[in-house]
Amino acid sequence: GQSLEQPSEVTAVEGAIVQINCTYQTSGFYGLSWYQQHDGGAPTFLSYNALDGLEETGRFSSFLSRSDSYGYLLLQELQMKDSASYFCAVRDNGGFKTIFGAGTRLFVKA
Amino acid sequence: GAGVSQTPSNKVTEKGKYVELRCDPISGHTALYWYRQSLGQGPEFLIYFQGTGAADDSGLPNDRFFAVRPEGSVSTLKIQRTERGDSAVYLCASSEGTSGKNEQFFGPGTRLTVL
Repeated sequence: GQSLEQPSEVTAVEGAIVQINCTYQTSGFYGLSWYQQHDGGAPTFLSYNALDGLEETGRFSSFLSRSDSYGYLLLQELQMKDSASYFCAVRDNGGFKTIFGAGTRLFVKA
Repeated sequence: GAGVSQTPSNKVTEKGKYVELRCDPISGHTALYWYRQSLGQGPEFLIYFQGTGAADDSGLPNDRFFAVRPEGSVSTLKIQRTERGDSAVYLCASSEGTSGKNEQFFGPGTRLTVL
């Protein structure tokens, strides 16, 4: 089967660093992506990892370990506007079919 | 247009009726996706098109669901004999369909309510 596991909720304070983990079990693997979705909004793309290691984009970084079927999203210098749901997603075959996790709801407190 | 658009934004229908949901992708994007999202869940893959053809429809839940993209641009998701369990937000996304990262651009969604 295909599944992605992420924590349902994470709470952190403004200015802190938070890590959102994702483990996946899919029939194939062609990359791990992360999307952000604010309440009532559409998901927006944050990052993508195809190879092992860390990718950095401003305050956001994403990490992948293919041998562990594991990745994480790291958010630094948290701001109130980062309160949203974060989804990991996997392309599980040579096409573009994408499977999303159930999402992690991040609450940023002042 | 500048982004992915979906119409209608809201659709209320009665059980057993037929509905059509429309998606207008970003111009030039060859890949188009349909997802269904329930409250508190992630987008659930339904189908994706590469050009005019359905490249993978393995996520369609049953034969009441059908989607077309006749000219490789606009797509329509069709649901026959709607059931209350079909109530959800239906998201459309498009991507260039060529790059490894396959960044998907999502539309605002159509909220379908089946009474």
